[in-house]
Amino acid sequence: IAGITQAPTSQILAAGRRMTLRCTQDMRHNAMYWYRQDLGLGLRLIHYSNTAGTTGKGEVPDGYSVSRANTDDFPLTLASAVPSQTSVYFCASSDSAGGPQYFGPGTRLTVL
Amino acid sequence: AQSVAQPEDQVNVAEGNPLTVKCTYSVSGNPYLFWYVQYPNRGLQFLLKYITGDNLVKGSYGFEAEFNKSQTSFHLKKPSALVSDSALYFCAVQSNSGYALNFGKGTSLLVTP
Repeated sequence: IAGITQAPTSQILAAGRRMTLRCTQDMRHNAMYWYRQDLGLGLRLIHYSNTAGTTGKGEVPDGYSVSRANTDDFPLTLASAVPSQTSVYFCASSDSAGGPQYFGPGTRLTVL
Repeated sequence: AQSVAQPEDQVNVAEGNPLTVKCTYSVSGNPYLFWYVQYPNRGLQFLLKYITGDNLVKGSYGFEAEFNKSQTSFHLKKPSALVSDSALYFCAVQSNSGYALNFGKGTSLLVTP
């Protein structure tokens, strides 16, 4: 089934722990993105990648890192989680500028 | 910076009535504008986009949006609302960071029977 998968679906994490959120797409899209969604704030861009091998910082990149070793995968890593990183995280992809973005189902992360 | 604003946190409409969800934009250059819908506990789904051309854009599920350059608006509309349209709606504009989008804060649409 074509689309974007994210794992895990949800996670409770102790503060200070390292966590990697996984994202895989099978649409061969060049661009991929990570957003966080918080009540009253909408979606905010964390990091993006316009093509494999390149990444860029979004609006709220602090405390997060990404890599794009290949076209399909775009993992998001929290090196040392803090409670303010409690959020719902969405991965998305698109094939070109002006094209629609396709979103994964999200990962609900709680940092205690 | 490219940005959009959704002035209403919530819109209530009765089933069968027309609905409008408002969005205004602030951009440098020509805007790439989008509407997405989010159902509970789901990811966002693309509804429609404006890149260039006709100011009235038709999208999925009977939705349409009107691009108005003089008012810098891109309101989402539907002639006859359904209860199943109840969801969270996001307006977005393509940012200066590659292909990424800058989203509004969202408008919750509630359609009552």
